[in-house]
Amino acid sequence: ELKVEQNPLFLSMQEGKNYTIYCNYSTTSDRLYWYRQDPGKSLESLFVLLSNGAVKQEGRLMASLDTKARLSTLHITAAVHDLSATYFCAVDIMGNTGKLIFGQGTTLQVKP
Amino acid sequence: DAMVIQNPRYQVTQFGKPVTLSCSQTLNHNVMYWYQQKSSQAPKLLFHYYDKDFNNEADTPDNFQSRRPNTSFCFLDIRSPGLGDAAMYLCATSRDLRLSSYNEQFFGPGTRLTVL
Repeated sequence: ELKVEQNPLFLSMQEGKNYTIYCNYSTTSDRLYWYRQDPGKSLESLFVLLSNGAVKQEGRLMASLDTKARLSTLHITAAVHDLSATYFCAVDIMGNTGKLIFGQGTTLQVKP
Repeated sequence: DAMVIQNPRYQVTQFGKPVTLSCSQTLNHNVMYWYQQKSSQAPKLLFHYYDKDFNNEADTPDNFQSRRPNTSFCFLDIRSPGLGDAAMYLCATSRDLRLSSYNEQFFGPGTRLTVL
């Protein structure tokens, strides 16, 4: 059974600091997605990572994928309060079944 | 703008009273999904449609049913809501998996269901 685990589950950090969220998964996949969810809102697609070594950046967020290590990272640079949200990674089961397996989510709280 | 729309955004029902949630999309995507998300948890897939083909998750209770009358619309019916069914229900869509190399899903705003 495919498992997706995020670490940490909760992160409180000061504005201006850097930090990394980790997403480990248990089986072969080369397609990984990061989503953001604000409290009470829906999921917003942030990054689509489709190959080993893929790196995507948007503003203060950068995501990478290492398919050999079965690991994706979401790096936050110089955090600002607006980044406070819950971040989910999700892994695509091979074979185009249509199913994503989500991690537990990491709730990020950025304090002034 | 192309989008995924859910109605209503908030739904209050009584214990055991059937309720229907709706989802529509202007993305012309072949695949539509229904997720249940409880507080502080990841979304849980209930079922999905690949065109008209219905795919139920093994652990989705029989109390949950779905209909997809056409490409644009999909409905979630909860036949006899219990207190444990109170949650956010998210609809999502994705492109035809036979044509796309990946499965990026686009989510609607969600319907928050309260069961009294």
